[in-house]
Amino acid sequence: AQSVTQLGSHVSVSEGALVLLRCNYSSSVPPYLFWYVQYPNQGLQLLLKYTSAATLVKGINGFEAEFKKSETSFHLTKPSAHMSDAAEYFCAGLGSQGNLIFGKGTKLSVKP
Amino acid sequence: SQTIHQWPATLVQPVGSPLSLECTVEGTSNPNLYWYRQAAGRGLQLLFYSVGIGQISSEVPQNLSASRPQDRQFILSSKKLLLSDSGFYLCAWSAAVRAAYTGELFFGEGSRLTVL
Repeated sequence: AQSVTQLGSHVSVSEGALVLLRCNYSSSVPPYLFWYVQYPNQGLQLLLKYTSAATLVKGINGFEAEFKKSETSFHLTKPSAHMSDAAEYFCAGLGSQGNLIFGKGTKLSVKP
Repeated sequence: SQTIHQWPATLVQPVGSPLSLECTVEGTSNPNLYWYRQAAGRGLQLLFYSVGIGQISSEVPQNLSASRPQDRQFILSSKKLLLSDSGFYLCAWSAAVRAAYTGELFFGEGSRLTVL
């Protein structure tokens, strides 16, 4: 990926509702894509990764993401939000220089 | 298994004072090492990366420097801190570039620096 764009800097959902965090990447071959989660005052933790295998990737804590080449998207979803999902989420992709390129992050709030 | 540690976790320093943040990785050899900074509302900014001992690449010209005195040790320094150096600093490592390299990063716990 040469660039990674996360749509929406803040997303708020009710507990039990669907979580959808959007990520689009600029095309590159091969795309290696990641979702990381960051809880307050902690480092980033890998949620899941796409490395050219199955297009639907399952991660930790019930999250999954689907790689859609036609849409250059890698959106993160979870069927039912939990209060503990409140955190900041970063989408990232491997750049041409061999470093990960990060989106600006999306803060997820979960309302009771 | 591989682990990464950075310290101190929290630091409050006056303007003009020096800085030293340390990061060590265990359980792997010849890792790529990185320093990132998070300032409020500004996402992750790559500051430095290193592919080997003594090899440092700077992404952004600034008041900071980095050194890699040992294979698994990465140090972020400043001689004189500025107010704008405040932020959350993250150390990370990745495997060396080989076949099937994906760029996956493993992060430390972070160091919160407040410059007053």
